[in-house]
Amino acid sequence: LAKTTQPISMDSYEGQEVNITCSHNNIATNDYITWYQQFPSQGPRFIIQGYKTKVTNEVASLFIPADRKSSTLSLPRVSLSDTAVYYCLVGDINPGGGNKLTFGTGTQLKVEL
Amino acid sequence: GAVVSQHPSWVICKSGTSVKIECRSLDFQATTMFWYRQFPKQSLMLMATSNEGSKATYEQGVEKDKFLINHASLTLSTLTVTSAHPEDSSFYICSALAQETQYFGPGTRLLVL
Repeated sequence: LAKTTQPISMDSYEGQEVNITCSHNNIATNDYITWYQQFPSQGPRFIIQGYKTKVTNEVASLFIPADRKSSTLSLPRVSLSDTAVYYCLVGDINPGGGNKLTFGTGTQLKVEL
Repeated sequence: GAVVSQHPSWVICKSGTSVKIECRSLDFQATTMFWYRQFPKQSLMLMATSNEGSKATYEQGVEKDKFLINHASLTLSTLTVTSAHPEDSSFYICSALAQETQYFGPGTRLLVL
């Protein structure tokens, strides 16, 4: 599974757009890119998933360049409630097991007034 | 859609006892579920892959006789921590696979005294 690298932390203010980039140089052909949000003492929450180009849903956008060696999660207008840890997970899940699903360190986003 | 539940949400037990944690996919069937462990201020670590009707696949360093996994139906996987010790105290999180996406449960906080 592709190892991921993210910034450890980011700070922002309410109403700002936040972009969090994840590097995954060893991404494989069949790998998808998935972003999760985690609050303390809760399970990760699915935000968005993509394979290439751009994906947008009601909460975020995901930008993936042509070489797919990185991806950027874009949160359009953050609020205090977006303060959380954000993880990118890259992989092609093999239901047969032997998966190396490795979460990176994640990015602690802190949003202030 | 894609809701995963866990029970219990927290449990306190004495050292040497066994604890069972349930993971259920509420609105979809999941052939594959995953079990993670997360220590404070750390990322999620995959423990094992649970496949319905077959033996679980454990990650290196995870004792299969200590962490018993049973995936008896397409909506239920259980993790039993046998002969629990204080060092097993952690946050245990399951996820269920729907197509290429993992959906996570809310987690179970285990405290072993």
